[in-house]
Amino acid sequence: AQRVTQPEKLLSVFKGAPVELKCNYSYSGSPELFWYVQYSRQRLQLLLRHISRESIKGFTADLNKGETSFHLKKPFAQEEDSAMYYCALDSGGSNYKLTFGKGTLLTVNP
Amino acid sequence: DTGVSQNPRHKITKRGQNVTFRCDPISEHNRLYWYRQTLGQGPEFLTYFQNEAQLEKSRLLSDRFSAERPKGSFSTLEIQRTEQGDSAMYLCASSSTAAWVFEQYFGPGTRLTVT
Repeated sequence: AQRVTQPEKLLSVFKGAPVELKCNYSYSGSPELFWYVQYSRQRLQLLLRHISRESIKGFTADLNKGETSFHLKKPFAQEEDSAMYYCALDSGGSNYKLTFGKGTLLTVNP
Repeated sequence: DTGVSQNPRHKITKRGQNVTFRCDPISEHNRLYWYRQTLGQGPEFLTYFQNEAQLEKSRLLSDRFSAERPKGSFSTLEIQRTEQGDSAMYLCASSSTAAWVFEQYFGPGTRLTVT
């Protein structure tokens, strides 16, 4: 069965510092990985997907199949990045259900 | 189109009562998903529809839970004989198989409190 692990429940950094939110997964096939974000009082929304290899709001994430990781990184954190971040896996491109991690609450201090 | 909508936003009920939630997806989306999220956890998949067909149900979905999408548009999730363990945020999401990239769009959720 697939599993997504986000080892940090809370992460606090100062504005301008680099940030890395960790995500590890277990799945025997070829997964599609996503990062979702939930800002305060807003709904869950997609931040980025590994297949697009894009950078959104300065965030990037690289899929490392050898380490089964999909860590989210940003070189210079901003206060508006403070939010709950969820890593999610779609098993084998079936495009239906997502398996989410428990989330990491990122706080960027001024 | 204002996105996925869910009603009610909050529901407080007594143990043993039945509750029903509604989800209106983005109009052109043919897939609709239900998730449940409890405190400190990420969303957990419950079930999904493609048009009006319910294609998968999670083992989390006990016999007290039933979901419908009768005309392939809005969906309802009913919980019969609610228990305190049913207290959670119930999230609905929708997506389109016609889109070239996969993305689920989430609603604001319905927060259920069973007393």
